[in-house]
Amino acid sequence: DIVMTQSPDSLAVSLGERATINCKSSQSVLYNSNNKNYLNWYQQKPGQPPKLLIYSASTRESGVPDRFSGSGSGTDFTLTISNLQAEDVAIYYCQQYHGTPPCSFGQGTKLEIK
Amino acid sequence: EAQLVESGGGLVKPGGSLTLSCAASGFTFTNAWMTWVRQAPGKGLEWVGRIKRAIEGRTTDYAAPVKGRFTISRDDSKNILYLQMNSLKTEDTAVYYCTTEVGNGPLKDAFDIWGQGTKVTVSS
Repeated sequence: DIVMTQSPDSLAVSLGERATINCKSSQSVLYNSNNKNYLNWYQQKPGQPPKLLIYSASTRESGVPDRFSGSGSGTDFTLTISNLQAEDVAIYYCQQYHGTPPCSFGQGTKLEIK
Repeated sequence: EAQLVESGGGLVKPGGSLTLSCAASGFTFTNAWMTWVRQAPGKGLEWVGRIKRAIEGRTTDYAAPVKGRFTISRDDSKNILYLQMNSLKTEDTAVYYCTTEVGNGPLKDAFDIWGQGTKVTVSS
């Protein structure tokens, strides 16, 4: 089974600064057949369902501010939030979507304002 | 606008059964692989299972903790997804979300639409 591990579990960042969240998969989620990383990032605010931010490791979902960016390949990935805004306070999850099981999430990273 | 609306949650005793529904609208339901994800109180997201399209035999896959107890099905004539839960355990207590990908263009292989969730509490 592919296990997704995020770090840190929580972090506090000042407004306007950069937040960096890491995600590591126990097996590569890069598939050579199409050179695609099956790694996605979601944001979840209290009382709301998750919201897709980034798919295929680095493609921003429509409507997501460009201060959100994703990078990485294979087993190591990063979500970067530049110029942190108050509305970015949330829990962030990475997700793999092609392995065994077909889908699994990281444990989540709680982002707060310092 | 694409929308998913879950229903059917509630309080059930351990060992009991419950069936959740997810009504879909605003997109071509028959083209979508549909997925259930749950979230226990104060915990992270856990994939429960998925069902593929009719042309793919409505094939299902389940997470290990629910395999053999939960059944996912779909009624394409009504645009409804179901999650039948049997032999419920206290650890099945969670908000259950249905989700899928509906975006146009190349496949994202990600969940770009989610319902608001329905709460299931398993307690004596």
